[in-house]
Amino acid sequence: DQQVKQNSPSLSVQEGRISILNCDYTNSMFDYFLWYKKYPAEGPTFLISISSIKDKNEDGRFTVFLNKSAKHLSLHIVPSQPGDSAVYFCAASALQRGSTLGRLYFGRGTQLTVWP
Amino acid sequence: NAGVTQTPKFRVLKTGQSMTLLCAQDMNHEYMYWYRQDPGMGLRLIHYSVGEGTTAKGEVPDGYNVSRLKKQNFLLGLESAAPSQTSVYFCASSFGLAGGLTGELFFGEGSRLTVL
Repeated sequence: DQQVKQNSPSLSVQEGRISILNCDYTNSMFDYFLWYKKYPAEGPTFLISISSIKDKNEDGRFTVFLNKSAKHLSLHIVPSQPGDSAVYFCAASALQRGSTLGRLYFGRGTQLTVWP
Repeated sequence: NAGVTQTPKFRVLKTGQSMTLLCAQDMNHEYMYWYRQDPGMGLRLIHYSVGEGTTAKGEVPDGYNVSRLKKQNFLLGLESAAPSQTSVYFCASSFGLAGGLTGELFFGEGSRLTVL
């Protein structure tokens, strides 16, 4: 059963516009959330994270919003650039809740395409 | 700056053959992981290690074995390959526990394995 869900397999956005990637989770024990970006033929790379004690974290053009009551987070990219075209994975962990690993649960990914 | 290096990058096996994937990291990380990624699926954890000489099962461990004889290396073995093991395999390492504040995962470039 998928505990982290990315229901949109793809998203297409014009350069300069905002990209909004969504992620939903089912496990209320999750307390740390991350986004990874993956280019073809490369491994995923860490992009941004947010702890459950916050509802927003910003890093340059990237902002992650967390809505704990809705069990929903989103990644906003403003402005979008062609180099942002990649697969974006949402991931979650329950590190503070006694997990021995703080194992990351990944969503299936969203392919973002930013066109000129 | 090598980071996480996986060998080989590509391999084709026949059903029943065995092989070993090697992962090496030069960041002195304690934690190492093996994930697999299948089309339309997120990353799924196969096995992991919390330090030299230790290994543990992840989400999908069946058909795989691992060893961590040296801190910098994490080997993934397939004793009798099956077509269901056709996948892209990613090794990762982290300084702290995955999903935590110091648990950013650093991934290798991936190893594409095809089992005929």
